Amino acid sequence: LAKTTQPISMDSYEGQEVNITCSHNNIATNDYITWYQQFPSQGPRFIIQGYKTKVTNEVASLFIPADRKSSTLSLPRVSLSDTAVYYCLVGDFTNAGKSTFGDGTTLTVKP
Amino acid sequence: DGGITQSPKYLFRKEGQNVTLSCEQNLNHDAMYWYRQDPGQGLRLIYYSQIVNDFQKGDIAEGYSVSREKKESFPLTVTSAQKNPTAFYLCASSILAGGQTSYGYTFGSGTRLTVV
Repeated sequence: LAKTTQPISMDSYEGQEVNITCSHNNIATNDYITWYQQFPSQGPRFIIQGYKTKVTNEVASLFIPADRKSSTLSLPRVSLSDTAVYYCLVGDFTNAGKSTFGDGTTLTVKP
Repeated sequence: DGGITQSPKYLFRKEGQNVTLSCEQNLNHDAMYWYRQDPGQGLRLIYYSQIVNDFQKGDIAEGYSVSREKKESFPLTVTSAQKNPTAFYLCASSILAGGQTSYGYTFGSGTRLTVV
């Protein structure tokens, strides 16, 4: 079971790019990396998923180095509404329930 | 719109009572999950189910029970054996396409349970 480590909190200002890194040293060959966003009193929302190299969608980019022992979620030009908790999840998903959520990173965007 | 519906949004339980939290999905997802979240903490897995009439314990199953009689429904019962049930409960679902989930989990909006 891949254990993940993220910073507990990060601060940023509106308009800046934010990079949140997740360490997963014991990631397995079949594991994917998925990032979620959670606002207070809501369920987490899927942001992006990747296996290796770089993945980009309309809201974020995910960078995964060749050794896959870490990953970086990049949020371009954050706004106040991006203030939330961000979770990195690693798992092969072939056996449902074998992925573990860590405590996440609380991102606070200031004006 | 397809999604996951959790009810009720808020639930109050007296000491010694069992309560059942509802979770329904119309996404045709194979797998369903229950998580518990305490203030300022991450999500901890209670139970999960990959197929109808089958489910497995997660990391903190003691004091909880589930059933999966229909693909769309995965109710969670918090029993009197759960000593500290006050928490935010989240239900999720996922596709199991070819044995792998695609696009991760879809979560409901949660049920906040308080013991009074």
